Amino acid sequence: ETGVTQSPTHLIKTRGQQVTLRCSSQSGHNTVSWYQQALGQGPQFIFQYYREEENGRGNFPPRFSGLQFPNYSSELNVNALELDDSALYLCASSTGLAGRDEQFFGPGTRLTVL
Amino acid sequence: AQRVTQPEKLLSVFKGAPVELKCNYSYSGSPELFWYVQYSRQRLQLLLRHISRESIKGFTADLNKGETSFHLKKPFAQEEDSAMYYCALSGRRTGGGNKLTFGTGTQLKVEL
Repeated sequence: ETGVTQSPTHLIKTRGQQVTLRCSSQSGHNTVSWYQQALGQGPQFIFQYYREEENGRGNFPPRFSGLQFPNYSSELNVNALELDDSALYLCASSTGLAGRDEQFFGPGTRLTVL
Repeated sequence: AQRVTQPEKLLSVFKGAPVELKCNYSYSGSPELFWYVQYSRQRLQLLLRHISRESIKGFTADLNKGETSFHLKKPFAQEEDSAMYYCALSGRRTGGGNKLTFGTGTQLKVEL
């Protein structure tokens, strides 16, 4: 069984640029959630995808967008990068949408915006 | 609105001492509560959830709806327990999504 993988590991961008982060969900999982973790904070929910449809969004502006593909892998896109977007971005997958379902996290992508 | 509060950023205990990591929550419906742990250089992983009512690595957590708390406890701390611990909450509605709301985390340091 393959765990959740994310790419790239680290990324440096400048303000105003666009970035795409990628996530491969764990085998058998159809739900992917994205979280932003700023330094010294807990992860904050960005949005969730279930069978290629967005199923819930946190308090993030529209310049944060995502996709889920038929194989349940996912992308997070951020346009017009701001300095405050510097954070660790975590992807998590699960087998469904039940509140009790365990979420399996990837190692994260560290984004630095200069 | 969902909210999780972990009042301690750092908790330092001696090996063999009892551990209690505090977590309080705010949620209007029936919550699912979790403790996630992140060991050094490892990814975030589930430690336990209240629905399972089990002890993992000697840790237990009881949901107290009256006090809206879900404190994590272990009677005797071990060196390998040193890690960052996050309390998290999700709604119970099936199909309603299982977004997690996390606290800010407590760094547990077990000293020899």
